[in-house]
Amino acid sequence: DQQVKQNSPSLSVQEGRISILNCDYTNSMFDYFLWYKKYPAEGPTFLISISSIKDKNEDGRFTVFLNKSAKHLSLHIVPSQPGDSAVYFCAAILSFDNYGQNFVFGPGTRLSVLP
Amino acid sequence: GAGVSQSPSNKVTEKGKDVELRCDPISGHTALYWYRQSLGQGLEFLIYFQGNSAPDKSGLPSDRFSAERTGGSVSTLTIQRTQQEDSAVYLCASSRGLAGSDTQYFGPGTRLTVL
Repeated sequence: DQQVKQNSPSLSVQEGRISILNCDYTNSMFDYFLWYKKYPAEGPTFLISISSIKDKNEDGRFTVFLNKSAKHLSLHIVPSQPGDSAVYFCAAILSFDNYGQNFVFGPGTRLSVLP
Repeated sequence: GAGVSQSPSNKVTEKGKDVELRCDPISGHTALYWYRQSLGQGLEFLIYFQGNSAPDKSGLPSDRFSAERTGGSVSTLTIQRTQQEDSAVYLCASSRGLAGSDTQYFGPGTRLTVL
């Protein structure tokens, strides 16, 4: 049973347009959500995070929206650039006593930004 | 460089042998994370250290896996009696504070191949 789902394995977007990557989760106890970008043969890069008490976080071209009632979050990239082409992973963090953290990752969405 | 480093970058071993993977986090980062990515799979969380302490070890796939961190710095992930299903890229990340509230920085990974 996947706790974090990314239902679109791939997405193609024209350069300059908006890319919207979606993520759904099942556990209402998650307290942080993160997005990572990964190029082939490289380690992941942290992009942006959002606390469960917020509904929006923005950093440059990247905005993450959180809809807690729907257990849904999305990453918006505006404007999309060819260098954004990568696999994007959504992750949820469950925090517990004594600074404990546990991560659950989605399967990833491959974004292709076409010139 | 001041980034997260991992060694070795590649490790080929025979089934049944023990391996040790090393992670050098960014200086001053108290949080250290181990993940792995198997071929064609998404990211899987293994263990997290706050200082030298791992609050929860339930993410480790089996009792053949162990990890330690000494001096609040270097961490080693040890896999005993390796199996072919252990083949993956093992990733380490560090952050000044907890992930979600602080940026994580990833190392380049160790590619482990078990023959």
